[in-house]
Amino acid sequence: RKEVEQDPGPFNVPEGATVAFNCTYSNSASQSFFWYRQDCRKEPKLLMSVYSSGNEDGRFTAQLNRASQYISLLIRDSKLSDSATYLCVVNADSGYALNFGKGTSLLVTP
Amino acid sequence: DAGVTQSPTHLIKTRGQHVTLRCSPISGHKSVSWYQQVLGQGPQFIFQYYEKEERGRGNFPDRFSARQFPNYSSELNVNALLLGDSALYLCASSSGGGNTEAFFGQGTRLTVV
Repeated sequence: RKEVEQDPGPFNVPEGATVAFNCTYSNSASQSFFWYRQDCRKEPKLLMSVYSSGNEDGRFTAQLNRASQYISLLIRDSKLSDSATYLCVVNADSGYALNFGKGTSLLVTP
Repeated sequence: DAGVTQSPTHLIKTRGQHVTLRCSPISGHKSVSWYQQVLGQGPQFIFQYYEKEERGRGNFPDRFSARQFPNYSSELNVNALLLGDSALYLCASSSGGGNTEAFFGQGTRLTVV
């Protein structure tokens, strides 16, 4: 079983739509959780950290459910520029390595 | 402010050759990690160095090695290249040894022919 699992998509949504991505992780000892965004053939860029209390950054909301080992990302009012791959990331046992999901592809259309 | 810089950006090598990839972290960051990303997959952890010591190693063969220098820059070396080593190699910089946010360089795209 992979450490971090995501639905690869693709998710095709119209501009202005709300879209949600989900992710599950297998290691209950994981301590840190992140969402990264990766544009085609570019490096991953940190979108936001994810906290148990949930956190919001503009149109983006992240939630963590430790009991279910589940992380989510909600994007409201989608923009064309949101088109990218979204990577769910969990720190490993050692605390030094990050485990990445395969990514969820989002395409926002006019 | 300079972000994480990697060199070279692209590289073509022949099977059996050796390659050295370089990374300079964000100023003030003492931790450098290396990741391999093949097409269609998320990045896979190779190594982490913190304060010049290896703190973690992923599931990669001994052909992969790395080191960190006193100025916190780092090199990743891969010997006896295989076709399957073709990938985007990413360097990540962070301020702490673990559980901290990591910032990636633009990567080195290695093609082995």
